[in-house]
Amino acid sequence: EAQVTQNPRYLITVTGKKLTVTCSQNMNHEYMSWYRQDPGLGLRQIYYSMNVEVTDKGDVPEGYKVSRKEKRNFPLILESPSPNQTSLYFCASRRGGASHEQYFGPGTRLTVT
Amino acid sequence: GQQLNQSPQSMFIQEGEDVSMNCTSSSIFNTWLWYKQDPGEGPVLLIALYKAGELTSNGRLTAQFGITRKDSFLNISASIPSDVGIYFCAGQAPGTYKYIFGTGTRLKVLA
Repeated sequence: EAQVTQNPRYLITVTGKKLTVTCSQNMNHEYMSWYRQDPGLGLRQIYYSMNVEVTDKGDVPEGYKVSRKEKRNFPLILESPSPNQTSLYFCASRRGGASHEQYFGPGTRLTVT
Repeated sequence: GQQLNQSPQSMFIQEGEDVSMNCTSSSIFNTWLWYKQDPGEGPVLLIALYKAGELTSNGRLTAQFGITRKDSFLNISASIPSDVGIYFCAGQAPGTYKYIFGTGTRLKVLA
């Protein structure tokens, strides 16, 4: 089954404790992206990757890191999480080229206390 | 950064009614996208628009890419209970590979 998976689905952590949210897709998609969703703000793009070893900032990259060492994986790293990073996070992927259909993962709800 | 203003923020409608929502931007977009998010899930693409003036349908859904390239609207005809969810517009900022999403329209359908 074609899908985007994220782990963990739920995470409660404390300020400053480094964490990684994994994202994996099995569709051989070139483009992958991370979003955060907050009430009243919609989805905001954090980082995206056009292909392996090619990443770029979205609209809200501060406090986040990403890497794309393999085509299928695009982890989101919070080196020192803060309470304002409490949010619902979505990973998404799409084919390269002119296609704009992004396939979203199920979401990771992160709470930073 | 760029923002997309989406309205209305929420709607309560009766089953069978038609729904209309729109999205406006202060700058132009080359692509307009409409997504639906069901409770507890990630968004799913409904319609993609690629040219100014384009009118595209997907079942009971119809969307249009505004002539000025700064707006788009989505219509849902004869709403049914499973239309409940949050609808997002999105666009790809010209000259970039970034996507900008609207703030969403929350739709509730009363049977």
